[in-house]
Amino acid sequence: DADVTQTPRNRITKTGKRIMLECSQTKGHDRMYWYRQDPGLGLRLIYYSFDVKDINKGEISDGYSVSRQAQAKFSLSLESAIPNQTALYFCATSGATGQRMDGYTFGSGTRLTVV
Amino acid sequence: GQSLEQPSEVTAVEGAIVQINCTYQTSGFYGLSWYQQHDGGAPTFLSYNALDGLEETGRFSSFLSRSDSYGYLLLQELQMKDSASYFCAVRDQGGNKLSFGAGTTVTVRA
Repeated sequence: DADVTQTPRNRITKTGKRIMLECSQTKGHDRMYWYRQDPGLGLRLIYYSFDVKDINKGEISDGYSVSRQAQAKFSLSLESAIPNQTALYFCATSGATGQRMDGYTFGSGTRLTVV
Repeated sequence: GQSLEQPSEVTAVEGAIVQINCTYQTSGFYGLSWYQQHDGGAPTFLSYNALDGLEETGRFSSFLSRSDSYGYLLLQELQMKDSASYFCAVRDQGGNKLSFGAGTTVTVRA
């Protein structure tokens, strides 16, 4: 099984619909992140969480919300989807910053299309 | 906030050497990382530099100069499988989260 699992892999939804993207990880890490990728813009941080009771906004949180249901689960919701939220969404997890080699582990992504 | 600049595209032939530069402007700095992404798949961690100097991992090396706010990723003995996008990323001073550059698409030709 993958260390970070995202569901669904692909989704087409209509404008105005609510949609939830789910993420689970088996790394045992406390830190989880949601990023959005658009062509030519790299990865932009939407929300992040350092433990179950901690939720923080990233640089592009408007129009999104998150829920940290457990250490291993972090879901992203679009309350009312709009076409410019069409993008590739990645969930990631990492260990504590004190570790020199603690790179992020990413999921395989969810390709979301809002029509 | 964070700002990172890297070239958008690089093309090279098999066996060649490619250097991808990354300059950054940050309100705080904790380290420079590099990630590889194939065709919209999951980005994968390549390297991390917290201190000045060169870090070597097989065919890939990464360099950091904190005084110049500059780093690079060096890909040696290029192979077709190295065709991918490469992203530099910086941690903020608290080491709390990563900000990514827009990515460099490397195309390796036979």
